[in-house]
Amino acid sequence: NAGVTQTPKFQVLKTGQSMTLQCAQDMNHNSMYWYRQDPGMGLRLIYYSASEGTTDKGEVPNGYNVSRLNKREFSLRLESAAPSQTSVYFCASSAGPPYNEQFFGPGTRLTVL
Amino acid sequence: GENVEQHPSTLSVQEGDSAVIKCTYSDSASNYFPWYKQELGKRPQLIIDIRSNVGEKKDQRIAVTLNKTAKHFSLHITETQPEDSAVYFCAVTLSSGYALNFGKGTSLLVTP
Repeated sequence: NAGVTQTPKFQVLKTGQSMTLQCAQDMNHNSMYWYRQDPGMGLRLIYYSASEGTTDKGEVPNGYNVSRLNKREFSLRLESAAPSQTSVYFCASSAGPPYNEQFFGPGTRLTVL
Repeated sequence: GENVEQHPSTLSVQEGDSAVIKCTYSDSASNYFPWYKQELGKRPQLIIDIRSNVGEKKDQRIAVTLNKTAKHFSLHITETQPEDSAVYFCAVTLSSGYALNFGKGTSLLVTP
């Protein structure tokens, strides 16, 4: 079992470019999440998908879109990257309430110039 | 959203001493309280969690206590070792019951 995987590991973009971060899990989890981590800020929720076919905004959704492609995959898209989106992005998955232990992927380090 | 305050932001202890990190939250409906450990450059990893119907949970050198009345919960690490050095995050469930709201983290340094 690979758990939660993310691609790419690193990415550098220029302001205005677009890109999609990919996430997949092989734990048969219903729920998936995207967080960003900035120094001194902890992890902040961008979007989540409670189950296949649903997505909901988190604390910091502006500038992002998501797609729950199927039960395994949940992608995060930056349509027009900005320097403020420089961060480490983590995908996570869980079975869902009440067993909501979240398992994280290795992260994507994104720099926007 | 749910407000989670975590203290202290940094903590330095000598090997063998105990470390305690405390979190307070505001939503009385929160019912799941995990703790994550994150080593430098790595992903957050769940180390222990507690649900609202339990007051304390222990796993070897790690324990978590929950006071629902006062809306705070704490992580206790006994007999600390250098490999315990990391950033620790507390979290609480949001009202949706799905996503978590994280504290800002505590950087723990255990010196030999």
